[in-house]
This record gives sequence, C-alpha cells and structure tokens, in this order.
Amino acid sequence: AAGVIQSPRHLIKEKRETATLKCYPIPRHDTVYWYQQGPGQDPQFLISFYEKMQSDKGSIPDRFSAQQFSDYHSELNMSSLELGDSALYFCASSLGLSRGNANSPLHFGNGTRLTVT
Amino acid sequence: DAKTTQPTSMDCAEGRAANLPCNHSTISGNEYVYWYRQIHSQGPQYIIHGLKNNETNEMASLIITEDRKSSTLILPHATLRDTAVYYCIVRPSYGNNRLAFGKGNQVVVIP
Repeated sequence: AAGVIQSPRHLIKEKRETATLKCYPIPRHDTVYWYQQGPGQDPQFLISFYEKMQSDKGSIPDRFSAQQFSDYHSELNMSSLELGDSALYFCASSLGLSRGNANSPLHFGNGTRLTVT
Repeated sequence: DAKTTQPTSMDCAEGRAANLPCNHSTISGNEYVYWYRQIHSQGPQYIIHGLKNNETNEMASLIITEDRKSSTLILPHATLRDTAVYYCIVRPSYGNNRLAFGKGNQVVVIP
C-alpha cells in the first residue's frame, strides 16, 4: 500500500538559511500533520491542514510556515534556521476531520532529517 | 487533554506475549485510546486504537478496562523486531484532532 512520502530524506543547511520540506500524503487522505522530533525527544506537533486550510496549530515557531496545496501535498518552510532546529521532521496524513472520519489514524512518513550547522 | 502514564521501559521475552500497560485516568467520554510505536528514528507506526470495546488486528490486541481508566496493549508473540518505543495516546474524536505524544515505553525484546 502507498505510504506517506517525504522529501528530502536528509538536508544539511547553515544557520540563517532557509529550508523547504515536502510531504505527499497517502492517496485520498486530505489532512496532513507536521511533527518535529529533536534528539532524544518525543515527536512534537507543529501544525495541521485539512482541505488546504490550517486546522490546528501547535508549537510551531514564527520562523516556520506551512501550506497544503490543491493536490493535498504539503510543504513546511523554515527560515532563519538555528542550530536548535536540527531534528527529524515527520509528516503524517489521515482522512478528514468530518464526523464520520473523526478517528481515522494518522500514518507517518519516515521523516526528513534536518541538520543545521 | 487527558494524559497517559506508561512505564519508562520494560523487557519482554522473545516468543512470549508482551503486555504493555497504560493509565489514562482522566480520559473523557469522547476520547479514543491510540497506540503507536517508533523503531529507532523511523516514523511512528500506527498499531491499534479503541474507544471502549476490546480491539484486535493483525499486529496486536487492545484491552480497555470497563471504567476506561487504563488499557493494555498485547503483542501476542513478541519478536526482536518489536523492540521499539511504544506510545499510548488519548485523542479527542473531534475538534482538536492532533496526536499528542508523551513519554513512551522503551520495550526491548530479549532473545
């Protein structure tokens, strides 16, 4: 079965640079979620989108922004990168938040490992 | 959001059933119990979820107590590949629909 695809798998950037991470959800999934996992930490929710609209916001820095496109893929844009942004970034997708799909499980990609030097 | 409490770590014998406990004493009526696992920096993997009835799929069984204040994930025949961090998560059925990861249980399957 098709899974969540994230690109790139690895990314190395310098401080103050920008980075763009991409996420392609499972076909027919219309909700995407972004998570950040620092070294030795548990995944932390950043932001989610449903039908191209932001649906929830977590601990996402103001330097980060994200959007979901008409084909449901999503991009996480990170500017003015700091050393502390070095982490694994996971994208997940699920069926929509409508009442009938309220408990569709999230399925995660294998992440993008961002290293800021 | 309701929070969960799990052991920090536990060992399980290969080939035996692994019983992973979780307490969620403040769970509300519209919240589901979800289980995920993460194998060494891979993406979290969905295992199973339930509301109040016991659930079973090809990976595991989920036993939820009648008062819903605790649950147990059962891996019927643990293998070395089941070594992972296991997360028990309570998730609202509507509104704020995120999965909020807490501290997981590092499970090591021993030969």
